[in-house]
Amino acid sequence: QKEVEQDPGPLSVPEGAIVSLNCTYSNSAFQYFMWYRQYSRKGPELLMYTYSSGNKEDGRFTAQVDKSSKYISLFIRDSQPSDSATYLCAMSGTGGTSYGKLTFGQGTILTVHP
Amino acid sequence: DAGITQSPRYKITETGRQVTLMCHQTWSHSYMFWYRQDLGHGLRLIYYSAAADITDKGEVPDGYVVSRSKTENFPLTLESATRSQTSVYFCASRQGGSNQPQHFGDGTRLSIL
Repeated sequence: QKEVEQDPGPLSVPEGAIVSLNCTYSNSAFQYFMWYRQYSRKGPELLMYTYSSGNKEDGRFTAQVDKSSKYISLFIRDSQPSDSATYLCAMSGTGGTSYGKLTFGQGTILTVHP
Repeated sequence: DAGITQSPRYKITETGRQVTLMCHQTWSHSYMFWYRQDLGHGLRLIYYSAAADITDKGEVPDGYVVSRSKTENFPLTLESATRSQTSVYFCASRQGGSNQPQHFGDGTRLSIL
């Protein structure tokens, strides 16, 4: 079983829809949770960064962490064609390795069509 | 502010050749990382560096060599390229401890024939 599970999709939604992207994880030592957005032929771009449980909002994006369920989500409101990309969840902890290894999900391919 | 710059962006070479991928960051971040991204495997860590002259192996280090003589540069060398090393390679950096996120370059797409 992988430490981080993410549904690869692909996910196709109409413009204006609310998008929900999710990851589950098994390592209870994870404390820092990130969402990256990756456009085709570009590097992953940090979208959201959260620590521990709770919600964080930034414009149309909301990141949610539920440590009790080992589940994180990214919500995109009023989705736009420019949101079409691969979304990667990533997480790290302070225990174990000293360099703070990032563990990534496989990525979800999202297409928002006009 | 350029951030992280990787070069070349695209490279085609032959098996057995040595090839070096360059990574340069302008933030003076202490930590730097090399990943490869392959379909079905996601992002996998090859090597990382905590500071100049300090490097260590990641998940898939075999066939790769790194060095870090200056804080801002972290080159990755394939000493004798194999077809299985055809991939997209990403460099990343991080400002400080494990509570900080990593920031990525735009990658080098490497094809080995």
